This record gives sequence, structure tokens and C-alpha cells, in this order.
Amino acid sequence: EPEVTQTPSHQVTQMGQEVILRCVPISNHLYFYWYRQILGQKVEFLVSFYNNEISEKSEIFDDQFSVERPDGSNFTLKIRSTKLEDSAMYFCASGRDDGYTFGSGTRLTVV
Amino acid sequence: GENVEQHPSTLSVQEGDSAVIKCTYSDSASNYFPWYKQELGKGPQLIIDIRSNVGEKKDQRIAVTLNKTAKHFSLHITETQPEDSAVYFCAAMETSYDKVIFGPGTSLSVIP
Repeated sequence: EPEVTQTPSHQVTQMGQEVILRCVPISNHLYFYWYRQILGQKVEFLVSFYNNEISEKSEIFDDQFSVERPDGSNFTLKIRSTKLEDSAMYFCASGRDDGYTFGSGTRLTVV
Repeated sequence: GENVEQHPSTLSVQEGDSAVIKCTYSDSASNYFPWYKQELGKGPQLIIDIRSNVGEKKDQRIAVTLNKTAKHFSLHITETQPEDSAVYFCAAMETSYDKVIFGPGTSLSVIP
């Protein structure tokens, strides 16, 4: 069964550093998403991406965040200057019009 | 915007018993209601979904019901097994490719 692949599985970074989280969506999917889950809390929507542009973003997705689909296969989430409160699991998802599939996540720890 | 509530937050059942998780939503425009299972260290996995033109859907030991008038929907797991132990999230969306609005989750423990 096709999978959404995320790398790395765990990233530790110093506060103020930039991080890039990478995702390889399922190849024939059209919609791409990032979500985050702070430990013990529910999964929260960050951003959706369709037709090479952001289609919707939440209030969490401020100027420190950006997304790119640079080569038609990878889908990345960049956090420019990480804060302690950015520590969370970040999930990528991709889909078509019949629902979508989540990756296994990247655990980001900001120290 | 949409708000999804979910109860109970934790649920323990004996192996073989049934488990029921209930959700409510606020936005009458929501038409697609997926349920996700999240195991430790993994991403949410879609286990079943229901659309607003259907009142009930079943897949082996899992069934979902939807009452669109009351804005309630429920997940029923019969003959529970230890491998059913996980966190379950309900969700509501306008379409199946809209952003997922998750409920707060139910931690299900199936005791052997």
C-alpha cells in the first residue's frame, strides 16, 4: 500500500535555528498538508497546499513557517527560527478527493 | 469554524466487549466524517469514514453512525481485541480533501 514518507523521524535543534522537515507524498495525490501534535494534545491543522500554492493556513502558521514543493515529489515544511513551543510531532499528509493519508511524523525537539 | 467534541476521553473495556465513542460537531456544512486510529509513535490512520448522505456504515468489527440533524456521530467496535488499544480521533470536514478538524481523542485500552 502506498505510504507518505517523512524524514527525519526525530530532529533535535537549538532554539533560534532553522529546521526543514521533509515529506514524500503519495505520487498521484493532489493535496498536501502539514499538521502538528503537541505531546498529549490533539492533532492541529497547519497548512494545506494545492496546485503549487497554499490553499489554507491556520493561525499557528505564522511568518516563521513556510512550505515548498520544490521538485514535484518532495513537500517540505521550514521553520525559520525555532522556539521551545515548536516542539511537537509534525505530520505530513497527502490526498485526492476520496480522503487522505498521514505519514508517521517527525518528532521535533527544540532545546 | 468547525468544533468537534468527543467522549469519553479514556475508555477501558475487557477483551471481547464492545466500545463506543461519541462525537458532536458544530458546523452544519460538514459532510464528511472520518475516524482515525493513532498508535504510539505513529501518524493517524484512517479506519472508517461516513458521508452525510448515509446514516450508517460497517466494516467488519467497526461501524459508524451519523445523525446529521442532531450533529452526532459514533464509532462502534465490537469483539474488541488488545490490538484495538490506541487513541481514536473523530473528525468533521466539508469535503474529503478539506482540512481535518480533529476531536480531542479517546484513549481506548482493551484488557486481555
